Amino acid sequence: KNQVEQSPQSLIILEGKNCTLQCNYTVSPFSNLRWYKQDTGRGPVSLTIMTFSENTKSNGRYTATLDADTKQSSLHITASQLSDSASYICVVSDRGSTLGRLYFGRGTQLTVWP
Amino acid sequence: EADIYQTPRYLVIGTGKKITLECSQTMGHDKMYWYQQDPGMELHLIHYSYGVNSTEKGDLSSESTVSRIRTEHFPLTLESARPSHTSQYLCASSDGDRGLSPLHFGNGTRLTVT
Repeated sequence: KNQVEQSPQSLIILEGKNCTLQCNYTVSPFSNLRWYKQDTGRGPVSLTIMTFSENTKSNGRYTATLDADTKQSSLHITASQLSDSASYICVVSDRGSTLGRLYFGRGTQLTVWP
Repeated sequence: EADIYQTPRYLVIGTGKKITLECSQTMGHDKMYWYQQDPGMELHLIHYSYGVNSTEKGDLSSESTVSRIRTEHFPLTLESARPSHTSQYLCASSDGDRGLSPLHFGNGTRLTVT
């Protein structure tokens, strides 16, 4: 069964600290993995996409990693800010085409305290 | 900033009423989607469209219907609302293959059926 599991379910950190969010998947065949950020009361916004051949990709203070062998991805946030408080959703695609299906994780709710 | 707009943002309505959730995008995207999102749960695809006069049901069975008469407009209709329809509804669009192109989400309509 194709699934996407995220951990932890929720996380509280102090402003300025780093944190790492995890995403494990069983989706096959694998096409790509995308991380979204969803602020409260807003729709999700894409942060980064990881394809099969990519191991690490950075977008400002966000760094995503992918280990296609173990089917794991992580999202590392450096020097957290209050605006990082949001839900982070991992989405895996089983095919890079219109017919491809997207599998959503339940998200990690991150709260950054001052 | 989102170029995809959903109205209303919040809707509280009684059982048995007919409702239409509006979704419009100004990006010229051919592909549009409706997702249902409940707290702490993954997004579920309920309808999608690959262009004008094209609509398909998604992975999650839904009593709602959609139409795509214009590229920019993708409304969702519930003929007779029930309390089980209480949820957040997110509209999204993309300009390419669902697997490779990011989804651009609206800010959602939170529906409460009493």
